Amino acid sequence: QKEVEQDPGPLSVPEGAIVSLNCTYSNSAFQYFMWYRQYSRKGPELLMYTYSSGNKEDGRFTAQVDKSSKYISLFIRDSQPSDSATYLCAMRYSSASKIIFGSGTRLSIRP
Amino acid sequence: GAVVSQHPSWVICKSGTSVKIECRSLDFQATTMFWYRQFPKQSLMLMATSNEGSKATYEQGVEKDKFLINHASLTLSTLTVTSAHPEDSSFYICSARDSGSATDTQYFGPGTRLTVL
Repeated sequence: QKEVEQDPGPLSVPEGAIVSLNCTYSNSAFQYFMWYRQYSRKGPELLMYTYSSGNKEDGRFTAQVDKSSKYISLFIRDSQPSDSATYLCAMRYSSASKIIFGSGTRLSIRP
Repeated sequence: GAVVSQHPSWVICKSGTSVKIECRSLDFQATTMFWYRQFPKQSLMLMATSNEGSKATYEQGVEKDKFLINHASLTLSTLTVTSAHPEDSSFYICSARDSGSATDTQYFGPGTRLTVL
């Protein structure tokens, strides 16, 4: 079993829709949770960074962490074609430990 | 946010040659940098952790004699792929940890696409 599971997609939604992206994980020791966006042939870009459980909002993006269920989510409101990319969830045990990535979900926003 | 650059952005080489990839943190000092490899439609796989002034730590299954890492300064780490073969063709991405940030964030470079003929 992988430490971090993420549906690879592809996920295609119409412009303006709310997008929900999710990951599950197996190790309860993870404390830090991230979401990265990666455009084709580019490096990942950090979107959201959360410590422990709870919600965090930044513009159109909301990250949720439910440690009791070992489940994290990223919501994108009012989705735009420019949001089309691969979204990677990631997590780590401490601020100094290596990052464990999910496999990424390919998202396409249809105009 | 902080900026990490990589050079070159892409390189094509013949089998058996060596290729050097540079990773620089442009506006912060990074005592730790990381090298990842990403195959098409797959996630990032950590290859090694590079610490300034000391030897790199390699992940299981990564040949340290084939993938040479040098972290000579607080803003520069290099990855040299020695005697490259077609199976080494991949997207190589570095990241740098900003230990001066409140969240100890890692920032990623734009990646280097290596094609070995």
